Amino acid sequence: GDSVTQMEGPVTLSEEAFLTINCTYTATGYPSLFWYVQYPGEGLQLLLKATKADDKGSNKGFEATYRKETTSFHLEKGSVQVSDSAVYFCALNLGGTDSWGKLQFGAGTQVVVTP
Amino acid sequence: DTAVSQTPKYLVTQMGNDKSIKCEQNLGHDTMYWYKQDSKKFLKIMFSYNNKELIINETVPNRFSPKSPDKAHLNLHINSLELGDSAVYFCASSQVPRVARTEAFFGQGTRLTVV
Repeated sequence: GDSVTQMEGPVTLSEEAFLTINCTYTATGYPSLFWYVQYPGEGLQLLLKATKADDKGSNKGFEATYRKETTSFHLEKGSVQVSDSAVYFCALNLGGTDSWGKLQFGAGTQVVVTP
Repeated sequence: DTAVSQTPKYLVTQMGNDKSIKCEQNLGHDTMYWYKQDSKKFLKIMFSYNNKELIINETVPNRFSPKSPDKAHLNLHINSLELGDSAVYFCASSQVPRVARTEAFFGQGTRLTVV
């Protein structure tokens, strides 16, 4: 079945460090890929997305590139801030009438940024 | 102006009780969802409704009954609550789910604690 695998957390970093969160997927079709972020005590917010191979999504200094050959969508940020402390979720959406917009999530990766 | 709003934000109740969670979206989307987030932050879809019609039911116990009075509202009623129902429940909505590019917009979540 379709699935998303993310690196386990927590990931602890100092401010201004480089962040990478690995995400790989298994899907029978051609999914769209998403990164959502959940700040403490809040709901999920879309961080970025990519809808086809080689697309790069970017937002708030975060980037991720849809790599079909490696079935990956790794999230990166060059210089993290304390305010980036959150749980990050990689997700896929196959579209079509079978999945009907259903998001398949990875397990989430908690990121803790210290001053 | 909140896009997807759910009430209540917190719900503490005793085993065996019946409770409801309400959700409303003002984005004009046709499709709404309920997701469950367990204590390890894992997110899984429960239901999907499109224009008041049930589309996805992911093997959820029939103690859970979603109701969609119109396409802007999707409520979740839970009968005979059990300890294992304790979780955070997220409502979400999206447009044109047949197209994989679409993302879902999430509410703030309802933290349900069954004691």
